[in-house]
Amino acid sequence: EAQVTQNPRYLITVTGKKLTVTCSQNMNHEYMSWYRQDPGLGLRQIYYSMNVEVTDKGDVPEGYKVSRKEKRNFPLILESPSPNQTSLYFCASSLYSAVDEQFFGPGTRLTVL
Amino acid sequence: DAKTTQPTSMDCAEGRAANLPCNHSTISGNEYVYWYRQIHSQGPQYIIHGLKNNETNEMASLIITEDRKSSTLILPHATLRDTAVYYCIVIKAAGNKLTFGGGTRVLVKP
Repeated sequence: EAQVTQNPRYLITVTGKKLTVTCSQNMNHEYMSWYRQDPGLGLRQIYYSMNVEVTDKGDVPEGYKVSRKEKRNFPLILESPSPNQTSLYFCASSLYSAVDEQFFGPGTRLTVL
Repeated sequence: DAKTTQPTSMDCAEGRAANLPCNHSTISGNEYVYWYRQIHSQGPQYIIHGLKNNETNEMASLIITEDRKSSTLILPHATLRDTAVYYCIVIKAAGNKLTFGGGTRVLVKP
């Protein structure tokens, strides 16, 4: 089944403790991206990647890192999480770019205490 | 990318057509109109997209005005499962970034 998976689905952590949210797709998509969703602010793009080793900032990249060493994986790294990064995170992938149909993962709900 | 304006919310009766408007008056010639929906904290789901012609698929129809400054998403027979937030997005051909606005919260009532 074609899908985007994220792990973990739920995470509660403390300020400053490094964490990684994984994202994997099995559709051989070149384009992958991360979003965060907060009440009243909607979905905002954090980072995107056009292909392996090609990443770029979205609208809210501060406090996040990403890497794209393999085509199928696009982990989101929070080196030193802070409470303002408490949010619902979505990973998405598409064939080549943002213009193509985006397939979203189920979301990761992160709470930073 | 052009900015879009959508009503904040709307109600629809089950079984009736739902017509969701979107204004994109600053759209340029190489920008597409996309519609996604998000059902209660799930990942957004693609519905349909178009450039200047009307489009139809198994989920919905997209009507784009001749001047392309506005569009309407039509859910022909709304069901309770269509209750969601619907996002109208304008994006350049070969665009790299997807920007979601506030969307329209649609409540389908029995």
